[in-house]
This record gives sequence, structure tokens and C-alpha cells, in this order.
Amino acid sequence: QVQLQESGPGLVKPSETLSLTCNVSGYSISDGYFWGWIRQPPGKGLEWLGHIYESGTTYFNPSLRSRLTLSVDTSKNQLSLKLSYVTAADTAVHYCARIARYCSGINCFRIDFWGQGTLVTVSS
Amino acid sequence: QSVLTQPPSASETPGQRVTISCSGSSSNIGSYPVNWYQLLPGAAPKLLIYASDQRPSGVPDRFSGSRSGTSASLAISGLQSEDEADYYCSAWDDSLSALVFGGGTKVTVL
Repeated sequence: QVQLQESGPGLVKPSETLSLTCNVSGYSISDGYFWGWIRQPPGKGLEWLGHIYESGTTYFNPSLRSRLTLSVDTSKNQLSLKLSYVTAADTAVHYCARIARYCSGINCFRIDFWGQGTLVTVSS
Repeated sequence: QSVLTQPPSASETPGQRVTISCSGSSSNIGSYPVNWYQLLPGAAPKLLIYASDQRPSGVPDRFSGSRSGTSASLAISGLQSEDEADYYCSAWDDSLSALVFGGGTKVTVL
């Protein structure tokens, strides 16, 4: 069974960089699938941040593209997220996930495994 | 304001059927299949329906999905107390070049 576990600081200061890591077990990142991040601000809905294939192909939320860096480390079976210049609006539970493209020719993605999520608060 | 529109809440008594709607546009639901997710407090979110009407292995057949035009729906039949959760629809949006979600629907079992 695929399991994902997010880790990282729970508190980040405004204008600094939010950094999270996700450890993947039960599946090798290098064996395929996209790997990505979704967040949920307190009391609000889900927001997709982006996802990356181990080959480097990436899809980013256009509203966050300029601040977002995604990477995978196949030797550690981890994925990472960096979001720069954060503000209070970036406070959210952040989920890492395995994402599958399940049809050819068009962008249809399903998020088939999720981590439990980790809350990151942006505050001075 | 979410790109996909869901009712904020829905409720029904145990054993009954509840349906959640998800309304979009030609750039998302009108062109792409829809997925549905269940969020339970303290648990990892779970994929319930993909490709608008397909259930992943392990999801009970009480859960069903459909899509027509620019709208989709999730139905839960034989409602159980364990179905109390938040449900989100999602699809790709061509205009935004983004994976978008609905605002979520909280299902209450009365």
C-alpha cells in the first residue's frame, strides 16, 4: 500500500520560504506516476499547487508558478516543495499525493493516494 | 470563489440516498472527466470516483458518479454514519491550465 508522510516546519515567517518534504513508502517514485501537492487553508476548500514526474515534467498552478519549486529525490524516495515569499494567505494544511494521468491525449489526472497533511502557519 | 460550484451542505437520514452536484463550464467539466474525493477529519483524503463514474478498488458500490454536459454529481445510497465527511469534486480546467476543485460539500447523517 502506498503511504505518504509530510514533514517540515509548522511555522514560517512572512516573506520567508516554506519547505516541506514528503516521504513515500510502498512504491518507488522512479517507477512512474506524478507526485504533487495540494493545500487547504483553514475553513476553506482544496487548492492544487502542482505535480512533477520523476523525469522532470511539471505542472504548476499558474497563480503560484513564480514562487513554487517542486522536486523529487529518487534515491531517498522523497518529493519536496518550496514556496517562496510566503504571506498569511499561504497558511494551510499541505498534502502530498501520488497523481495518475489516466487517459491519453488530454490532461485528466486523479489523486489516488494522499498523505495525512501537515499544517503550516505563516506568522511572525 | 471556487471554479467548480458545489452546495455547501447536504443531509439525509441513515439508509437514504444523498446526491451532491458539481457545476462547471465548458473549459472544465464540459471537456474533462471528474473525480470525487472524501475528506474525513484526521484521515488522509480518499479518492472515491474517477473518470466521472469509475470506482477505485475498495470503494463501496454505494458511491456512484455521473457527468452530463457541464455538471457532475456524486450519489451516496444506503447512507451510513461513517459517510459524514466533506466531499470535493475536481477536474482539469483548460482556460486556467490548472487542476481545479469545487468548494466542498459537508454531508451530515441525521
